[in-house]
This record gives sequence, C-alpha cells and structure tokens, in this order.
Amino acid sequence: SQKIEQNSEALNIQEGKTATLTCNYTNYSPAYLQWYRQDPGRGPVFLLLIRENEKEKRKERLKVTFDTTLKQSLFHITASQPADSATYLCALIENYGQNFVFGPGTRLSVLP
Amino acid sequence: ETGVTQSPTHLIKTRGQQVTLRCSSQSGHNTVSWYQQALGQGPQFIFQYYREEENGRGNFPPRFSGLQFPNYSSELNVNALELDDSALYLCASSLNGDSPLHFGNGTRLTVT
Repeated sequence: SQKIEQNSEALNIQEGKTATLTCNYTNYSPAYLQWYRQDPGRGPVFLLLIRENEKEKRKERLKVTFDTTLKQSLFHITASQPADSATYLCALIENYGQNFVFGPGTRLSVLP
Repeated sequence: ETGVTQSPTHLIKTRGQQVTLRCSSQSGHNTVSWYQQALGQGPQFIFQYYREEENGRGNFPPRFSGLQFPNYSSELNVNALELDDSALYLCASSLNGDSPLHFGNGTRLTVT
C-alpha cells in the first residue's frame, strides 16, 4: 500500500542547533517533493521544492535533500530559532500535480 | 498581489445538512485544489480544478463536489454531512498543476 511518513510527531531542539526532519514514502513515484510550514490556525506556506533529479536544494538556513533510491527526503533548519517552531509538512507530487500527497507533519519546537 | 481567501472562517452544521465553502484564488492562478485536514493530520487531497474542469480527485465520496468559475474562484460543496466531516477545509491555488501551492487559512467546519 502507499504510505508517506514523517519521522516523528514532535521534535524539540535547543535554539542554535540544526533541526533535521525526515520524510519517507513507499509505493509512490514522485516527480518532485515540496516542504511546507504550517502555524496553528493557518494554512500551510510553501518553503522549498526539490525535483527527482536534484540531490540537494538550499534557501537561506533551509536545506532539503531527496534520495529516490532510499525513498526519503531530509529537511534541515540550521541555526534554529524559536520563530522556527511550527509544523512542517512534506508533500509528494505525482502525475503533474493530479496527485498531491501530504505527510502527517512534524511539530517542531525550538527552545530558547 | 492578493492571496487566497476563504469564506466563511468558521461554520457549524448539523448532520445531514449541506454546506458550501468558497475560495478566491491568488491573482494569476488558474488551478485550484481543495484539502481536508483533520486535527493533528496532514491535508488530504479532495480534488483539483483547472480552467473550470475537474483535473484530479482524491479518495472522497461523490457527496464532495466542486466548481471553478471563469474568474478561477471555486466552491466546495458537501452534501449529507457526517460527523467525520468535521475538519479544516483548505483551498490552495497554483500557477499550474504541479507548481507550489498557495493556501488560504481555511474554513473550520464542525458537524454536530
């Protein structure tokens, strides 16, 4: 069966450390993968996109990797800040967007 | 640039009733999709519309239906409401089917 999982429901880290979030999938063939941030009571906000033929993408303190052999994406936030506290969602995209599948999310708390 | 707006923000309905939720797309976006998000879960894809035609559908029954209008705004209709339909309903627009999604802040539907 098809499944998309994110490493843990909640992750607590100290301010200044690097947060690493994991997204694993089975029985999907995504052309690419996206990461979103969602704050309580708000809709998700797009952060980064990575295509199947790309190994790594960066944007400021954010880095995402995509390993189609392992069927895994890693999302890193370096020099984390309390303002980074939110739920982070990965999303697989198949069939030119006709199948957009979100993971359950990881709730990140950055402690001062 | 106007973002995605949804109305109403909150709604309470009784089991068996019908509901219509509305969404205005971001300017220039011709694709709109709808998601259902239960508490603590990731968004679940309901369907996508491209230029007024349904262009993909998730695993939702036919009592979930939609429309997209010539100005690319959209409606989600749910008939014969069930208690399990209680959730946050998110609308997202995009430039095309597989580009990043721009979400509204959702409509919180409670079915009693």
